[in-house]
Amino acid sequence: NAGVTQTPKFQVLKTGQSMTLQCAQDMNHNSMYWYRQDPGMGLRLIYYSASEGTTDKGEVPNGYNVSRLNKREFSLRLESAAPSQTSVYFCASSDPRVNYGYTFGSGTRLTVV
Amino acid sequence: AQSVTQLGSHVSVSEGALVLLRCNYSSSVPPYLFWYVQYPNQGLQLLLKYTSAATLVKGINGFEAEFKKSETSFHLTKPSAHMSDAAEYFCAVSDLTGRRALTFGSGTRLQVQP
Repeated sequence: NAGVTQTPKFQVLKTGQSMTLQCAQDMNHNSMYWYRQDPGMGLRLIYYSASEGTTDKGEVPNGYNVSRLNKREFSLRLESAAPSQTSVYFCASSDPRVNYGYTFGSGTRLTVV
Repeated sequence: AQSVTQLGSHVSVSEGALVLLRCNYSSSVPPYLFWYVQYPNQGLQLLLKYTSAATLVKGINGFEAEFKKSETSFHLTKPSAHMSDAAEYFCAVSDLTGRRALTFGSGTRLQVQP
């Protein structure tokens, strides 16, 4: 099925550990996004990528890095996890030329202890 | 900067009753507006979108929303609630720069009582 695939679905980290969240889309979209979702705060943009090799900071980029190695994949890295990064992370993609809607992945639930 | 305010973090209705979820936006230019639905432990699914065509927008599952520029509102309605409508609903406004990033409201959890 076409769409956005995120891995892993669940992860528990200890404070200070690092990890990479993976995201891949097969819809040939140029734009990809990483959001975090916290109770009562909706979704907040972490990073954005307009095309392969380009990235831009969003609303809450501190503590994160991203890589857009090719058109399909957009990864999010936590270099030194902190409890404040406990959240649900969503990747999304879109083709702004077509309909301005996002297609979301199913999310990664991350807990930092 | 654009922003979205969703009035009411929780809304409870009886099955068969009218659903009204409120959304107000702030934007310096005519916006693109969206409603998304999130079922438990799932990603967000697009319900409907307004992109400067008709002001009354129909979406999936019987939902619709009306863009009212004078009120800066984009409220979501459904004439008759179904148990399967229980979910969290998010209103979002599009960044009209090249990145087209969405700014989301804080969400409204809809509960449907039998």
